[in-house]
Amino acid sequence: QFVLTQSPSASASLGASVKLTCTLPSGRRSYAIAWHQQQPKKGPRYLMKVNNDGTYIKGNGIPERFSGSSSGSERYLTISSLQSDDEGDYYCQTWGTGIVFGGGTRLAVL
Amino acid sequence: QVHLMESGGGVVQTGRSLRLSCAASGFNFGIYGMHWVRQAPGKGLEWVAVISYDGSDKTYGDSVKGRFTVSRDNSKNTLYLQMNSLRPEDTAVYFCTKMRATYSTEDAFENWGQGTMVTVSS
Repeated sequence: QFVLTQSPSASASLGASVKLTCTLPSGRRSYAIAWHQQQPKKGPRYLMKVNNDGTYIKGNGIPERFSGSSSGSERYLTISSLQSDDEGDYYCQTWGTGIVFGGGTRLAVL
Repeated sequence: QVHLMESGGGVVQTGRSLRLSCAASGFNFGIYGMHWVRQAPGKGLEWVAVISYDGSDKTYGDSVKGRFTVSRDNSKNTLYLQMNSLRPEDTAVYFCTKMRATYSTEDAFENWGQGTMVTVSS
């Protein structure tokens, strides 16, 4: 079982942008990942699937402020025009040799 | 609109059993593989188990293998998780999830339930 690496925390100001990173191990750099948001006291919500070519497919109702991208073994989630309810935990998930989650990034909106 | 509703959680003593259910609606349940994922208090997400669309293929995480059994009843649009020999470290919120792809057991998780809390007391 391999590991998806995420920074434990991130912060940005209200109205600004933030880019979260999920890193795949070098042998899995072709893998797609999914991003999930978990607001405080709530269940996770699917945001998008990000492919290794940088294309992404968002879930229903996900605002345009959320976008995905990719570079090498890294997959990104960018949130622009940050709002207070963007605060929470963000997890990446991948599959292919079992289901794997990253440890999550806690985002604070200042 | 996809809806997943877990139930069956509660407080149980070490060594006892519990069965969770996940009622699905708003989609063709019988063509999707389904997963269980759990989250211990203050911790991240941990994959628990998957069952294929027709119930013929099941896989478990190492921490629950041999103790938990996943099943489904496509006529009732319901997913189950039978949890036996429960341990304090099984204490968590349990979520059922639906994937994006049909007829698959691995893909992005597109829909989540709200979760049901299981507390195992020692």
